[in-house]
Amino acid sequence: NAGVTQTPKFQVLKTGQSMTLQCAQDMNHEYMSWYRQDPGMGLRLIHYSVGAGITDQGEVPNGYNVSRSTTEDFPLRLLSAAPSQTSVYFCASSYQQVDTGELFFGEGSRLTVL
Amino acid sequence: AQTVTQSQPEMSVQEAETVTLSCTYDTSENNYYLFWYKQPPSRQMILVIRQEAYKQQNATENRFSVNFQKAAKSFSLKISDSQLGDTAMYFCAFIGAAGNKLTFGGGTRVLVKP
Repeated sequence: NAGVTQTPKFQVLKTGQSMTLQCAQDMNHEYMSWYRQDPGMGLRLIHYSVGAGITDQGEVPNGYNVSRSTTEDFPLRLLSAAPSQTSVYFCASSYQQVDTGELFFGEGSRLTVL
Repeated sequence: AQTVTQSQPEMSVQEAETVTLSCTYDTSENNYYLFWYKQPPSRQMILVIRQEAYKQQNATENRFSVNFQKAAKSFSLKISDSQLGDTAMYFCAFIGAAGNKLTFGGGTRVLVKP
C-alpha cells in the first residue's frame, strides 16, 4: 500500500516557468489537499478537494491551480513560477473530512524558484 | 478565521525527562478538533494525538498527553520520558466542525539530548 505519493521530490525552476506537482493516493480517500511549508510559518493550505470534480481555495491559493478529475489524483500547477513560491509542498489526504485527524501526508516536494 | 499560535520556536530536553509544548488558538466555534503532528528530519508528517473539543477528558497516547483548556483556548502537549527519536518539529493544528481546513501553528523544534 503506497499511501500518498508525490512527485517530483526536488525541482529547480526559473522564474516564469510552469510545472505540475503530482499527487496520487491509493486509499480511496475523498479528501485531498495541498500545503506549503515555510520556516516559522508552519503549513499553510493552498487548495483542497472533497471529491472528484470539486475543488476549493485554502489560505494561500494565488499562483496555484488544481483539478480533481479522479479520486486518486490531485495535481498542483504553478503557471508562472515566482521566487516567493520557493517552499516545501505537501499533499495530504483523508477518507472524508479531516476531523478524524487521520490526515495522511506525502513525503513532500522541495521546490526552488530562481 | 482561526489562528493557531506556538510561542516556543525551539526547546531542548534531556533524554528521559519531560517537556511541555504550548499551543493557543483563536476561534468562535464551539465544536472543533485539535491535533499535534510530529515532523522528524525525514520530513514525514505523523499524527501524534487528537482531541475533540466536546470531550473534557484530556487525550493520552503512550508517552504523549495533552492539557486541553477550552475556556483559555489552550492545548499543550507533554512528552514524558523523552527519547532520542522524539527529536522533531511539532505542529499544533486546529479544524472546525465543517472539517475541511486544517490550520497549523508555526511549529516548535524539540531536541532531545542524550
